[in-house]
Amino acid sequence: AQRVTQPEKLLSVFKGAPVELKCNYSYSGSPELFWYVQYSRQRLQLLLRHISRESIKGFTADLNKGETSFHLKKPFAQEEDSAMYYCALSGNRDDKIIFGKGTRLHILP
Amino acid sequence: GAGVSQSPSNKVTEKGKDVELRCDPISGHTALYWYRQRLGQGLEFLIYFQGNSAPDKSGLPSDRFSAERTGESVSTLTIQRTQQEDSAVYLCASSRSGNTIYFGEGSWLTVV
Repeated sequence: AQRVTQPEKLLSVFKGAPVELKCNYSYSGSPELFWYVQYSRQRLQLLLRHISRESIKGFTADLNKGETSFHLKKPFAQEEDSAMYYCALSGNRDDKIIFGKGTRLHILP
Repeated sequence: GAGVSQSPSNKVTEKGKDVELRCDPISGHTALYWYRQRLGQGLEFLIYFQGNSAPDKSGLPSDRFSAERTGESVSTLTIQRTQQEDSAVYLCASSRSGNTIYFGEGSWLTVV
């Protein structure tokens, strides 16, 4: 069954410390993986997608097919990174996009 | 339009009344989703449309909830006989199949 797992509901990190938000997936094929972010009082928006292989706001994510993971990383956390982060998976063309439960990232001053 | 548009943005209703929430997806987007987000909680999938058919409505919490979509355009989510536990933000999103999903700002529903 298709599934996206974000094991941490809440992650608190000190400003300047490294951040890693975990995402594991289950899919019998070649999925496309995304990270979405929701800042306070703003709409959910795309942060990055694995096929783009880009860094957005200092965040990167590498698709590891062996470990079926797509963890989101940033070397030095900033206070403005505090938000809700969702990992998502898209499979075959007409399959719906599946979201994880989300991880709330709280950056401590 | 420029983005996914939802209306009303805020709705306060009395327990037991019916409410209808509307979503205008981005033009050309065949896929449309409804989610619910309770205060401080994660996304809760409700229903997925591909065109005007709904191949996955597994997330609808009860038969009080229903949704329809006209062609590849507007969708309405209807909640009958609202209960206090229905209070939440209802988010609509659309995408071209398999591509980036775009969210609306949500309809904040409060049942009193």
